[in-house]
Amino acid sequence: ETGVTQSPTHLIKTRGQQVTLRCSSQSGHNTVSWYQQALGQGPQFIFQYYREEENGRGNFPPRFSGLQFPNYSSELNVNALELDDSALYLCASSGGQGTEKLFFGSGTQLSVL
Amino acid sequence: GESVGLHLPTLSVQEGDNSIINCAYSNSASDYFIWYKQESGKGPQFIIDIRSNMDKRQGQRVTVLLNKTVKHLSLQIAATQPGDSAVYFCAENVSGGSNYKLTFGKGTLLTVNP
Repeated sequence: ETGVTQSPTHLIKTRGQQVTLRCSSQSGHNTVSWYQQALGQGPQFIFQYYREEENGRGNFPPRFSGLQFPNYSSELNVNALELDDSALYLCASSGGQGTEKLFFGSGTQLSVL
Repeated sequence: GESVGLHLPTLSVQEGDNSIINCAYSNSASDYFIWYKQESGKGPQFIIDIRSNMDKRQGQRVTVLLNKTVKHLSLQIAATQPGDSAVYFCAENVSGGSNYKLTFGKGTLLTVNP
């Protein structure tokens, strides 16, 4: 177990709706990254938050947004959901020595109908 | 497309055999590499990492080899066990930037037959 917790574990939404996913980072970690993993693919970087500021973003549209809170937990928000947004959304935390080593949660499986 | 890829999408081995999972990368600026194991319904689990100033690193039953000349990375698992069955991902990063973004390959499915 990594100590990174995500909620909910599963979620079903319809096209056009909005969704918020939550992540609690491992104790002592100040950086949270979000990844999208489509079925049969490797995780794709969405963005990273460090000390409550966005610290890098992948090739995702602005309807993907996030927040990081003072306790380093984080939210991923997706507006105007599309069918292709169906995926496993992974949160990873890092911090301290070896910050490139990410510790992943079990993810939120989002299905958009 | 992705700069990190895998030669073999699936690998099937007998319990007790050694497994070798290969990975090619195309970004010559990448200087940090990491292997993850992902079991069904779980997030990626760290296995081992290596920096570009090394060509070999060993862990418990696992060894990572890095060949920068041909941009190739491999994961060797000794005495493979049924619990090793999972999808294995290699990922790369370019250090020194303002953030640490791992670029993942598509993964290799390892099946261990008892």
